[in-house]
Amino acid sequence: AQTVTQSQPEMSVQEAETVTLSCTYDTSESDYYLFWYKQPPSRQMILVIRQEAYKQQNATENRFSVNFQKAAKSFSLKISDSQLGDAAMYFCAYRRGYDKVIFGPGTSLSVIP
Amino acid sequence: EAQVTQNPRYLITVTGKKLTVTCSQNMNHEYMSWYRQDPGLGLRQIYYSMNVEVTDKGDVPEGYKVSRKEKRNFPLILESPSPNQTSLYFCASNPGQGRFTDTQYFGPGTRLTVL
Repeated sequence: AQTVTQSQPEMSVQEAETVTLSCTYDTSESDYYLFWYKQPPSRQMILVIRQEAYKQQNATENRFSVNFQKAAKSFSLKISDSQLGDAAMYFCAYRRGYDKVIFGPGTSLSVIP
Repeated sequence: EAQVTQNPRYLITVTGKKLTVTCSQNMNHEYMSWYRQDPGLGLRQIYYSMNVEVTDKGDVPEGYKVSRKEKRNFPLILESPSPNQTSLYFCASNPGQGRFTDTQYFGPGTRLTVL
């Protein structure tokens, strides 16, 4: 069965600094998608970044980038130049086609002014 | 505006009283799904639907029912709610065709408390 693990329940970062959130997953599939979602206090789920497993190039969206290591089944999120608005819960998620979507337990990120 | 809507946003009820949480999307998406979010567990999939009249169980379907009679609507039904179904519920949808078929759009969430 597929699982997603986020080993850091809580993280903190100084404003303007860089932070990396970890995510590992377990699957026997070769074709799948990975996501990072942000959930601010409003509870809205916001897509931060997505990665297709067949693409070797790491996805980037402005200050957010991933380090996708397919062989190691690792999918970490790097936030550069952290801002106060980045404070939120971050969820890593795995999806295979239209099949089940598996979320990790989340990492709560605090940004220190 | 493209969106997923859920109603109600907040609900407090008592054990055993049937309830329905509605979900509607205006993006003509084929795929819809329900999740519950609990502290330390992330989001867990309850049910999903790949199209009208096609539904399947997720990881935690016990105690829930769904139906998909129209493409835009995917209600979640709790026939006899129990306190362990107190949770934050999310509905989500994504397109069945096109470039971002895998990317889900989430509703605003429904906070349910069962006493």
